[in-house]
Amino acid sequence: EVQLMESGGGLVQPGGSLRLSCAASGFTFSTYWMHWVRQVPGRGLVWVSRISSDGSMTNYADSVKGRFTISRDNAKNTLYLQMNSLKAEDTAVYFCARAGSAWYSFDYWGQGTLVTVSS
Amino acid sequence: QSVLTQPPSVSGAPGQRVTISCTGSSSNIGAGYDVHWYQQLPGTAPKLLIYANSNRPSGVPDRFSGSKSGTSASLAITGLQAEDEADYYCQSYDSSLSGSLFGGGTKLTVL
Repeated sequence: EVQLMESGGGLVQPGGSLRLSCAASGFTFSTYWMHWVRQVPGRGLVWVSRISSDGSMTNYADSVKGRFTISRDNAKNTLYLQMNSLKAEDTAVYFCARAGSAWYSFDYWGQGTLVTVSS
Repeated sequence: QSVLTQPPSVSGAPGQRVTISCTGSSSNIGAGYDVHWYQQLPGTAPKLLIYANSNRPSGVPDRFSGSKSGTSASLAITGLQAEDEADYYCQSYDSSLSGSLFGGGTKLTVL
């Protein structure tokens, strides 16, 4: 059974940093591209970033480019999102998602972890 | 402008058929990129419902179907059930953004 479990969310002050993790199991993690998607509670979904299966290629939404870094450790079956220079508008539930067979589809999602940026 | 537009809400009685539209532009749906649909039940993570315009993942009932034409796509749900009450999102790739784009979501209410 495919499982994705995020952790690392919490309350952080504006300008601060946080690192999210996504532990994967039930599939061969090293062969899949992975994504981060976020959702402000009560609002819609917003794609954040993606990383290739070997970690050599990354893409980011303009809203986080230069502040967030996606990475992965295939030996640990774990995906990361390093978030720096956090702003209030980064407050959201962050989901990790596995890339599906179709271009830019997401076939499995974690349960999400809440990041709150507030003083 | 890179936007996927969905109606904020739709509703239907049990057993009825509803459709949810997703209108894009020449940089996303109109460029030929696939449209995917997700169902998000209250308090849960999204679930892939339809991929590549009209394909259902294993386990998704055939009451759910998708189509795409030009710069738009649609999700149809037949034989509405109470358990279908959820938020539904369309999603595609956008070449102007060089990334993924979600619609604003549609809340389905089963009357």
